[in-house]
Amino acid sequence: GESVGLHLPTLSVQEGDNSIINCAYSNSASDYFIWYKQESGKGPQFIIDIRSNMDKRQGQRVTVLLNKTVKHLSLQIAATQPGDSAVYFCAAPGDQTGANNLFFGTGTRLTVIP
Amino acid sequence: DAGVIQSPRHEVTEMGQEVTLRCKPISGHNSLFWYRQTMMRGLELLIYFNNNVPIDDSGMPEDRFSAKMPNASFSTLKIQPSEPRDSAVYFCASSAKGHISGNTIYFGEGSWLTVV
Repeated sequence: GESVGLHLPTLSVQEGDNSIINCAYSNSASDYFIWYKQESGKGPQFIIDIRSNMDKRQGQRVTVLLNKTVKHLSLQIAATQPGDSAVYFCAAPGDQTGANNLFFGTGTRLTVIP
Repeated sequence: DAGVIQSPRHEVTEMGQEVTLRCKPISGHNSLFWYRQTMMRGLELLIYFNNNVPIDDSGMPEDRFSAKMPNASFSTLKIQPSEPRDSAVYFCASSAKGHISGNTIYFGEGSWLTVV
């Protein structure tokens, strides 16, 4: 099946700085990727997604970059705020045609230092 | 709009007891997912349903686990008998079409299960 992982289990950044969270995946045929944010005691929340026909997508303060050559994607958070402290997961669909389940990476815990 | 609703939010039970977790997906969504989250294994897909039909239950750990979706607005995940290693957070999630068309999977707040 698909395998997604994250490079660093933890990341600490100063408030106001930019954060970059990385993720690698194994299936070169994956066509869709999603980033989720999970705050303590809550379920994962959708942040942003990207299709494989794109290499960049921007949202509000967040940007996802996709490098299909090296099977790597990243989530960039601009001007990181204390409310951004959470665990961030990248996810990709299963490798079966038509599969509509998601496989999640192990997560990066982002801590924002005031 | 109400999101995915799970109950109970927290449960502590003794080993050997039956546990039933409940989920109400977002109205209109036709895909429902059960995930389990632990420190060791992260988020794992247990089973998912399309239009109330189980599509893939390969993630269900063993026969002690069973899931049903009797109608479009309700699903249960049952563990019988429960064991301490089943302690985890169980998430239910739903989506309109699954991921294929980019439809987001929305998660509930989770059911925190502790088996002692």
